[in-house]
Order: sequence, then structure tokens, then C-alpha cells
Amino acid sequence: DAGVIQSPRHEVTEMGQEVTLRCKPISGHNSLFWYRQTMMRGLELLIYFNNNVPIDDSGMPEDRFSAKMPNASFSTLKIQPSEPRDSAVYFCASSPDPRTELYNEQFFGPGTRLTVL
Amino acid sequence: AQTVTQSQPEMSVQEAETVTLSCTYDTSESDYYLFWYKQPPSRQMILVIRQEAYKQQNATENRFSVNFQKAAKSFSLKISDSQLGDAAMYFCAYRTNSGGSNYKLTFGKGTLLTVNP
Repeated sequence: DAGVIQSPRHEVTEMGQEVTLRCKPISGHNSLFWYRQTMMRGLELLIYFNNNVPIDDSGMPEDRFSAKMPNASFSTLKIQPSEPRDSAVYFCASSPDPRTELYNEQFFGPGTRLTVL
Repeated sequence: AQTVTQSQPEMSVQEAETVTLSCTYDTSESDYYLFWYKQPPSRQMILVIRQEAYKQQNATENRFSVNFQKAAKSFSLKISDSQLGDAAMYFCAYRTNSGGSNYKLTFGKGTLLTVNP
């Protein structure tokens, strides 16, 4: 299996521009998580989907952030408009259904390093 | 809400020696998982070891073992025979297993481990 795939790996953009991050979870996994990593706040959950339905989006900073999961094999995280404080590494992770899998592990993608100038 | 605290921002160890990384957590739940993740400079998040709260036996994975003290809410990681490849940021993480539907990981701020040759 190719693991969790994220694109792009690096993104540099200017303030005010729209940014779209993409994630392909591991086939068969039905839970998907978006995390953000910054020096100040560490790793924190942005949003969690189960069976393509958002379960917890309390970590989404504000209306500028939106996430979708149109099908089981694809998710996007969009920032519009982007701001310098959004600069961070964004991770996507997937896992089997936590309610049915005993040894549940979240598998992380390589992350997208976003720089907003 | 659950919190995870790693009180050692940085640690160092000599190659072939043993080092212990500390982690404490706060929760009112009785059923949960604890994890240690490793993040090398490549920034890939790699699961090192997991512990189920209802198991009293401490988990071990080759040179990695944990000391799980449920009453004290402590979960330390011991790395034996340290190798240069162990140098990384190590994150302690908590995940509920108490039903409901939110299975996000809550992370500590991390401990940067340096291995000296």
C-alpha cells in the first residue's frame, strides 16, 4: 500500500491567495483526520471525518478554513484567504473505523509545509 | 478535555545508553489508548509504541518499552541501546476508547532527543 498521500509537499503563497491541500487516505480506511503542526501550538486536530461525514470540526480556526471529503478516497483542506499565521505543516492521517478496530492506529501522510508570505 | 504534558523539551543520550522520556496526561476516562510517535527530520510521523489503558502489562517493541502508571497518569518511554537513528522529536498522544464518536489524537508538545556518538 502506498500509505496516505498528500499533495503538494510544499506550498508557498502570498497573503490573500486561496490554498488547497489534498489527501488520499489508505484504501479501506474510513476515518480521516487533518492536523496542523506549529512551533507555538504543536500538533492539533483541525477536523475529523468518519465515513465521509465531519464528526469534529471544533479545531478549524475560523471561517477561512473549510474541509471536504466528497468520497472515501479523497479529502481537501482549503484556506481562503490565506494569512501568514496559517504557515504550518498540515498532516492528513487515516485509520480503520475506531469503533470496530481494536488495535487502531492513525497512519500519517508526509505532510504539506505551507508558507504564506 | 484531555491534556498531555511532556515536561522535557529536549533530552540527550550517548549512543548505546538508555534514555527515558516522560509524559503525563489528564483524563476522567477509564478506557483509552496512549501512544508514542517519532518524528525524524523528514517530519514523517511514525508510531513507536501503543498502550491500552485496561492492560496492566507494559507494552514493549524491541528496544522501546513504556512504564504505564494508570493511577499516576504517567506514560514514560524508555529507549534502550540508543542508536543514532533514534534522534528525533518524540510525541506522546492520547486517544479515547470510551464510545461516542471522537477518536482524535491529543498530543503533547514533544521532546527533542539527540543521540551523541
